[in-house]
Amino acid sequence: RKEVEQDPGPFNVPEGATVAFNCTYSNSASQSFFWYRQDCRKEPKLLMSVYSSGNEDGRFTAQLNRASQYISLLIRDSKLSDSATYLCVVNLGGAGSYQLTFGKGTKLSVIP
Amino acid sequence: DVKVTQSSRYLVKRTGEKVFLECVQDMDHENMFWYRQDPGLGLRLIYFSYDVKMKEKGDIPEGYSVSREKKERFSLILESASTNQTSMYLCASTKQVNQPQHFGDGTRLSIL
Repeated sequence: RKEVEQDPGPFNVPEGATVAFNCTYSNSASQSFFWYRQDCRKEPKLLMSVYSSGNEDGRFTAQLNRASQYISLLIRDSKLSDSATYLCVVNLGGAGSYQLTFGKGTKLSVIP
Repeated sequence: DVKVTQSSRYLVKRTGEKVFLECVQDMDHENMFWYRQDPGLGLRLIYFSYDVKMKEKGDIPEGYSVSREKKERFSLILESASTNQTSMYLCASTKQVNQPQHFGDGTRLSIL
């Protein structure tokens, strides 16, 4: 069965902390990987794509480990505004597949 | 910026009614998708379309149909609404396979 799995949390962290989420995926042929952010009762919004060499966008760092079939998201210097649910998204079907599979999300609460 | 517009933010319908959810994107994207999102279940793909008049079933197509008569518009149809179709419905689009999807604001549909 093709799956994308995440720890649902919640992760409750103080402002300024560093927090990391992992996500495992079931198909080694998967080609595309993304992290989305979803605020309560809102639509998912792309946070960042995940590249093979790893990539960084400000306080956010994404990594891909193909050998162990997981991706990670690291958030440094957490802000109150980072509180949201973070969705791991994978194209499990590989090249040419139209479908993205969404994890159920990891909830993050940043507390003052 | 990509704009994906869903016709209604909130909708209340009765059991047995035929329900139409409309989605329009303004970025000339080939691929469009309909998902539903329920607590604890995450996003599940209902149908997608990779070209005008083309459609493919997703993971949960039962009780739904779709229409894509123009490239920018993708409609989801509940043939005979039932209470278990009460959910948040999200439309998304993307230019190419393996690229991230962009979501509309979502429609919260209640079937009474």
